[in-house]
Amino acid sequence: EVQLVESGGGLVQPGRSLRLSCTASGFTFGDYAMSWFRQAPGKGLEWVGFIRSKAYGGTTEYAASVKGRFTISRDDSKSIAYLQMNSLKTEDTAVYYCTRDHTRTGSRPYNWFDPWGQGTLVTVSS
Amino acid sequence: SSELTQDPAVSVALGQTVRITCQGDSLRSYYASWYQQKPGQAPVLVIYGKNNRPSGIPDRFSGSSSGNTASLTITGAQAEDEADYYCNSRDSSGNPQFGGGTKLTVL
Repeated sequence: EVQLVESGGGLVQPGRSLRLSCTASGFTFGDYAMSWFRQAPGKGLEWVGFIRSKAYGGTTEYAASVKGRFTISRDDSKSIAYLQMNSLKTEDTAVYYCTRDHTRTGSRPYNWFDPWGQGTLVTVSS
Repeated sequence: SSELTQDPAVSVALGQTVRITCQGDSLRSYYASWYQQKPGQAPVLVIYGKNNRPSGIPDRFSGSSSGNTASLTITGAQAEDEADYYCNSRDSSGNPQFGGGTKLTVL
């Protein structure tokens, strides 16, 4: 069974750091890009960033709201993706989800995200 | 517009057909994907690409696209389909973006 499990969430003070982990099983982790999304309480889904597979350079992209503060990395030997969050703000409070990326290129490309982990809650408050 | 726009709420009578729409300029170039989210749960992929359903998703869910609008259709809505539905495509930078979500109520 393909599965993603996030961990590492919790209560943290503004300005502090937190690292989330996403542990994958049931598929060849290194073959896929991985994304992080978040959902603030009562709000919609927001893309945070993603990391490409090593075959595509293992490079990263980030949403403007987190660029320079958040860093995504991966350890393919352990099938884990990480989200390092620094200089946390109260507006970073959300449930954080990791997902497996799929992309189709062509005349009309598309991507999709499946599966999703169960999410881990990050609360930034003093 | 670089955004994806969804109606905040839609309702459907049990067993009837409902269409949930998503509008945005990026949909002229990219197919959307659709996600169902029930309270307290993670999103679940229901439709991707032109009209593809992941394994385990009932065939009453279908997708279509025309111009700048993508649609998710549920034919014969069931009580268990009551949920929030989000469309996803890409923004002008090629990064993922979601619509604001549609709350579906099954009456």
